[in-house]
Amino acid sequence: NAGVMQNPRHLVRRRGQEARLRCSPMKGHSHVYWYRQLPEEGLKFMVYLQKENIIDESGMPKERFSAEFPKEGPSILRIQQVVRGDSAAYFCASSPPRGSTSEKLFFGSGTQLSVL
Amino acid sequence: DAKTTQPPSMDCAEGRAANLPCNHSTISGNEYVYWYRQIHSQGPQYIIHGLKNNETNEMASLIITEDRKSSTLILPHATLRDTAVYYCIVRVAITDSWGKLQFGAGTQVVVTP
Repeated sequence: NAGVMQNPRHLVRRRGQEARLRCSPMKGHSHVYWYRQLPEEGLKFMVYLQKENIIDESGMPKERFSAEFPKEGPSILRIQQVVRGDSAAYFCASSPPRGSTSEKLFFGSGTQLSVL
Repeated sequence: DAKTTQPPSMDCAEGRAANLPCNHSTISGNEYVYWYRQIHSQGPQYIIHGLKNNETNEMASLIITEDRKSSTLILPHATLRDTAVYYCIVRVAITDSWGKLQFGAGTQVVVTP
């Protein structure tokens, strides 16, 4: 059973471009979480999604950031018009529905976004 | 979600037990205690979690006080590969799903030879 897959592993963008980060949850997992980790800082929650629904987006910046988790395919974190301050490691985690035998979040290896 | 308080850092000798404390005095009845660790910029790794009973797995033991206001993560035989930031997190269990994990600053554990 493959773990949480994130790609790309590294992404370089120039200011003003768009960044798309992909996350494929573990098989059977219907919940996805996105976190951001700025250099030398802790992980900050961004958004929590179930299939086709945003459950909690309290950590998402109000502008330029969006996330989706369609019925088919990976979850996408989209950052429009990137700025240097968006440079960070972005981690995705997935979990099964509550009531399953596992109540853990499993994290991917992250996408390191660098904005030039 | 309840907040947690952890010491910013601690050292541990290789082969000895590492005891990591965590205070969560405002924890509520439907909140679980989770421990994760992050090894140098990798994705966080699950260690263990519990509600009120002590828990043990192949990685660690979790001791939760009877009033649930604090807990201790025990790494029984620390190795150099256990050097990481350790996060104690309380997580709410809601009707049909789980709440998010809110990471604090954690404890930087350095295992020395």
